[in-house]
Amino acid sequence: EAGVAQSPRYKIIEKRQSVAFWCNPISGHATLYWYQQILGQGPKLLIQFQNNGVVDDSQLPKDRFSAERLKGVDSTLKIQPAKLEDSAVYLCASSLEGKNTEAFFGQGTRLTVV
Amino acid sequence: GDSVTQMEGPVTLSEEAFLTINCTYTATGYPSLFWYVQYPGEGLQLLLKATKADDKGSNKGFEATYRKETTSFHLEKGSVQVSDSAVYFCALTRSSGANSKLTFGKGITLSVRP
Repeated sequence: EAGVAQSPRYKIIEKRQSVAFWCNPISGHATLYWYQQILGQGPKLLIQFQNNGVVDDSQLPKDRFSAERLKGVDSTLKIQPAKLEDSAVYLCASSLEGKNTEAFFGQGTRLTVV
Repeated sequence: GDSVTQMEGPVTLSEEAFLTINCTYTATGYPSLFWYVQYPGEGLQLLLKATKADDKGSNKGFEATYRKETTSFHLEKGSVQVSDSAVYFCALTRSSGANSKLTFGKGITLSVRP
């Protein structure tokens, strides 16, 4: 079974530029998550979708970050404009619906803002 | 809010040594507890989980017991191998309706030398 696919793997941009990340979850997984992992810290949830609806975006910096999940499948996360502190690994994960179901993670996109 | 505290790292062990990685949590109610592992160059993978008090999760020789009285979920392995070298994350989730986000600890790097 194919895993969670993310692209690009690496991205370097200058501050104030914009960037977008793409995620393709495991087929049939209704729930999709975007996490931010800053170096030396654990992943922090940015946004959770169930199908194409937002369940939790309480920690998403909405002045600069946006995310969408069209048709309840693929998702994109955008940052505009980027700041130096946005340098991190952005992880996408997906899971089946229901309590305590396992979340499967992609390899992540490493963003460096210079 | 919910939080997970892991012991400070990194940890370096010789092959066949005994491993303990401490994890404590703060959460209301009855969270589910997880250990995730990230091998070099790979995405996060679920190692084991426990969904209620006194449950023991186990996988690949690793074990962890959900201790509600001490709010702990320490990871143990009797004899580590070089292939266990990775970053280990303790995490919890409190499924509330459709919200099933994971709250992670900072992670700890384990290096096993031959």
